[in-house]
Amino acid sequence: GESVGLHLPTLSVQEGDNSIINCAYSNSASDYFIWYKQESGKGPQFIIDIRSNMDKRQGQRVTVLLNKTVKHLSLQIAATQPGDSAVYFCAENDGSGNQFYFGTGTSLTVIP
Amino acid sequence: ETGVTQTPRHLVMGMTNKKSLKCEQHLGHNAMYWYKQSAKKPLELMFVYSLEERVENNSVPSRFSPECPNSSHLFLHLHTLQPEDSALYLCASSQVQDGYGYTFGSGTRLTVV
Repeated sequence: GESVGLHLPTLSVQEGDNSIINCAYSNSASDYFIWYKQESGKGPQFIIDIRSNMDKRQGQRVTVLLNKTVKHLSLQIAATQPGDSAVYFCAENDGSGNQFYFGTGTSLTVIP
Repeated sequence: ETGVTQTPRHLVMGMTNKKSLKCEQHLGHNAMYWYKQSAKKPLELMFVYSLEERVENNSVPSRFSPECPNSSHLFLHLHTLQPEDSALYLCASSQVQDGYGYTFGSGTRLTVV
């Protein structure tokens, strides 16, 4: 099976600081990656995605970096806000079907 | 509010009960999924329906029975569950040919007593 893991289960940051959440994957054939945010009492919500032909993609206050050499994915959140407190999941797809494999999640807490 | 609606939001059931979880998607997607989310574990794929046909079942116990009457509705029928089945059950949908990710519902928090 796939192995998608997150380096840290919890992360606390001060409001206004930048956050970095990391994810490692093991399948070198994976070609599409997504970051999801899950707030308490809600289902995971799409944040940003990246395909394997790119190494960086930016959204509003979020940036995803992909390092295929070391099979590592990161999510950077700029100027972290209290509303960013949530669990963040990475998911990978190896292109063989529509199935995604999810990591265990990192819980981000923003300290006011 | 997302385009995927799950009901009920919370469910408490005894081990001898029979209940059903419902999921409805309003996105015109052609695939729907059931996932189980337990504490400190990755999301576990339970069932996939693509174009209304079940295409995958990851050895889920028979006490869980899915039903997909059409591309917009998905059910998970539950019977004689165990306490370890207590979890958040998430429904998701996607458009397979688009090659993009899932849209999740808010889940049903199930407690088996």
